[in-house]
Amino acid sequence: GQQVMQIPQYQHVQEGEDFTTYCNSSTTLSNIQWYKQRPGGHPVFLIQLVKSGEVKKQKRLTFQFGEAKKNSSLHITATQTTDVGTYFCAAYQGAQKLVFGQGTRLTINP
Amino acid sequence: NAGVTQTPKFRILKIGQSMTLQCTQDMNHNYMYWYRQDPGMGLKLIYYSVGAGITDKGEVPNGYNVSRSTTEDFPLRLELAAPSQTSVYFCASSYSSETQYFGPGTRLLVL
Repeated sequence: GQQVMQIPQYQHVQEGEDFTTYCNSSTTLSNIQWYKQRPGGHPVFLIQLVKSGEVKKQKRLTFQFGEAKKNSSLHITATQTTDVGTYFCAAYQGAQKLVFGQGTRLTINP
Repeated sequence: NAGVTQTPKFRILKIGQSMTLQCTQDMNHNYMYWYRQDPGMGLKLIYYSVGAGITDKGEVPNGYNVSRSTTEDFPLRLELAAPSQTSVYFCASSYSSETQYFGPGTRLLVL
């Protein structure tokens, strides 16, 4: 079935540095979603991208969907300690099944 | 609006015991899901439901059963618990194929 591969698995940065996580699929995706999970918490929806080449911003977070709709990225500018957590991309397989990437765990040195 | 609620928050089971994880949503969502998340890993779909009376298997259904008698409730049943079922279980709901709203999770330890 459809798989989404996410890299890197872990990322440690100094507070104020930028952070990027990448999500790749071997098949064309109808859309892609991003979730954030704080340590000990549950996944929380961040955004959904639908259009080829789409770019969306939420304050310091920039989300991109590739032109071929096979990859996506999340970039955080000037990380803050509140950004700590695991970031997951996810894509629907058919109409009902959401397939999650393995996640990128972000830790920050204040 | 409580959103998605799950009980219990934490449970220890002995091998071979059974239990039911409860999940309730008050957003009138048709779609509901059960995931498991092993330490340091992503989420794997166990079962899902697109409406009352309709359920289907996900990626890792073995050892679990579900039912969906109402729109609000989607319990997950573990029969004959095994150590491999030690995990965090998340229930989620959505309106069609859109944003999924997750519950706080149930941490299960099987010894």
